[in-house]
Amino acid sequence: GNSVTQMEGPVTLSEEAFLTINCTYTATGYPSLFWYVQYPGEGLQLLLKATKADDKGSNKGFEATYRKETTSFHLEKGSVQVSDSAVYFCALTGSGSARQLTFGSGTQLTVLP
Amino acid sequence: GAVVSQHPSWVICKSGTSVKIECRSLDFQATTMFWYRQFPKQSLMLMATSNEGSKATYEQGVEKDKFLINHASLTLSTLTVTSAHPEDSSFYICSASPLRADGETQYFGPGTRLLVL
Repeated sequence: GNSVTQMEGPVTLSEEAFLTINCTYTATGYPSLFWYVQYPGEGLQLLLKATKADDKGSNKGFEATYRKETTSFHLEKGSVQVSDSAVYFCALTGSGSARQLTFGSGTQLTVLP
Repeated sequence: GAVVSQHPSWVICKSGTSVKIECRSLDFQATTMFWYRQFPKQSLMLMATSNEGSKATYEQGVEKDKFLINHASLTLSTLTVTSAHPEDSSFYICSASPLRADGETQYFGPGTRLLVL
């Protein structure tokens, strides 16, 4: 079945540091890949997505590239801010009509001023 | 943007009682709603998928008689935890997929924390 393996946290960075959160996946067919963010006390929000190999998703300074050869979708940001502190989830949808999401375990990011 | 609400946001109940959690799409119609369970420091685990007007599809290992799902309209789905026990204590999250979306878009509610004493 489908699975997502995500870098364990927590991750603590200083403001303006470079961020990488690793994500690798196992899936049959051609999944779409997602990063979701969960701010304290809020629901998950879609951060970015990529639907085919070599696509790059980007939003709010975050980027992730769909690498089929390494089955990876690592999240990066060049300069993090305190407001980026949240839990980040890597996820995928498999093929089929239900398009159900399979999530990674989540990575807690704390950015210190 | 698309907003999904959940009610209540938290609930404490005695063992053996039933608890109903509502999930509403506030500004869009949802063909499909999903119910997830999240344990502390763990990922979201899909419990069931519900489509308006039809029976929910439960994931393997999820008791359908324990977790009753009703998707009565295009804006409302309910999850009822029947005869709750302490091991049912968890964070329950719903999501909704809009009627005319690409099939992958899901908007998430803020979650409901359940504590069974």
